[in-house]
Amino acid sequence: EVQLVESGGGLVQPGGSLRLSCAASGFTFSSYWMHWVRQAPGKGLVWVSRIKSDGRSTAYADSVKGRFTISRDNAKNTLYLQMNSLRAEDTALYYCARESGYGSTPLDYWGQGTLVTVSS
Amino acid sequence: EIVLTQSPVTLSLSPGERATLSCRASQSVSSTYLAWYQQKPGQAPRLLIYGASSRATGIPDRFSGSGSGTDFTLTISRLEPEDFAVYYCQQYGSSPRTFGQGTKVEIK
Repeated sequence: EVQLVESGGGLVQPGGSLRLSCAASGFTFSSYWMHWVRQAPGKGLVWVSRIKSDGRSTAYADSVKGRFTISRDNAKNTLYLQMNSLRAEDTALYYCARESGYGSTPLDYWGQGTLVTVSS
Repeated sequence: EIVLTQSPVTLSLSPGERATLSCRASQSVSSTYLAWYQQKPGQAPRLLIYGASSRATGIPDRFSGSGSGTDFTLTISRLEPEDFAVYYCQQYGSSPRTFGQGTKVEIK
């Protein structure tokens, strides 16, 4: 059974940093592209970032470019999102999601999310 | 960036009725790269439709997708109680992979 379990969320002050993790199981993690998608309270889904299976290529939404870094450890079956210079508008539930195929394919499995709150 | 606009924002219907949800793109999207997701309160999104019209694994056939170019539609032929939720379209053919703002299907 495919499982994605996020962790690392919490309360952080504006300008602070946080690292999210997503532990994957039930599939060959190293073969899949992975994504982060966020959802502010009561709002819609917003794509944040993507990393290819070997970790060599990444992409970011303009709103987080230069502040967030996506990475992965295929030996540990874990996806990460390093978030720096956090702003109030980064407050959201952060989901990790698996892309179903090799590029330009939909997100077929999602975790339950980890909540990040940026507030003083 | 491709902007996806969903309409209506809210759809109020009764169980057994037909639901028609629209997703309009600011520029042409290959139908290969258009998906629909369902999200219920407190849950993660679930993939319903990919490639504009292909149902994901385990999705009942009352859900169907259609469209091409800039206009796409999700149809639920007869609403079941478990179908009342928020639905999002997403294009995944170009970066950034944008979502629509969602359509809430609520019980009338």
